[in-house]
Amino acid sequence: EAGVVQSPRYKIIEKKQPVAFWCNPISGHNTLYWYLQNLGQGPELLIRYENEEAVDDSQLPKDRFSAERLKGVDSTLKIQPAELGDSAVYLCASSLIAGGAGELFFGEGSRLTVL
Amino acid sequence: GDSVTQMEGPVTLSEEAFLTINCTYTATGYPSLFWYVQYPGEGLQLLLKATKADDKGSNKGFEATYRKETTSFHLEKGSVQVSDSAVYFCALRHNTNAGKSTFGDGTTLTVKP
Repeated sequence: EAGVVQSPRYKIIEKKQPVAFWCNPISGHNTLYWYLQNLGQGPELLIRYENEEAVDDSQLPKDRFSAERLKGVDSTLKIQPAELGDSAVYLCASSLIAGGAGELFFGEGSRLTVL
Repeated sequence: GDSVTQMEGPVTLSEEAFLTINCTYTATGYPSLFWYVQYPGEGLQLLLKATKADDKGSNKGFEATYRKETTSFHLEKGSVQVSDSAVYFCALRHNTNAGKSTFGDGTTLTVKP
């Protein structure tokens, strides 16, 4: 069974440029998460989807970040325009169970460097 | 709000040494507790979990016990191997609050032969 797939693995852009990350969750996982991981820190939730609905986007900086999950399967996270402080790893995760004991399955992450 | 505090790293051990990585948490209610591991160049993956007080999670020789009285979930292994070198993240997840997860900052373990 394929795991969570993310692309690109690495992206280097100049500040003020746009960037987009793509995620394909494990088949059958209705819950999808985007996390931000800064160097030396744990993942921090940006947005959570239940199917195609964004049910928790309270931590998403909506002035420059946007996300979508059309048809409730794969998802795209966009930053426009990127700032120097956005350099980080963007993690996508999915889970079969929305809460409690359900584990999260993570992709390998997309490492963004903003110059 | 919720928080997870992990023992600061990095931790360097010799092969076959005993490992403890401390983890304490602050949360309302009774969350499930997890240890995730991130090997070099890979994504985070579940190592073990415990869903209620006094439960012990175990996998690959690692163990952690859910201690509600001390709000702790310390990770232990009796004899580490070079292949255990990785970053270890402690996390909690609520049964309510839409399953919100909170992660610690990770502890980097290096095992030398």
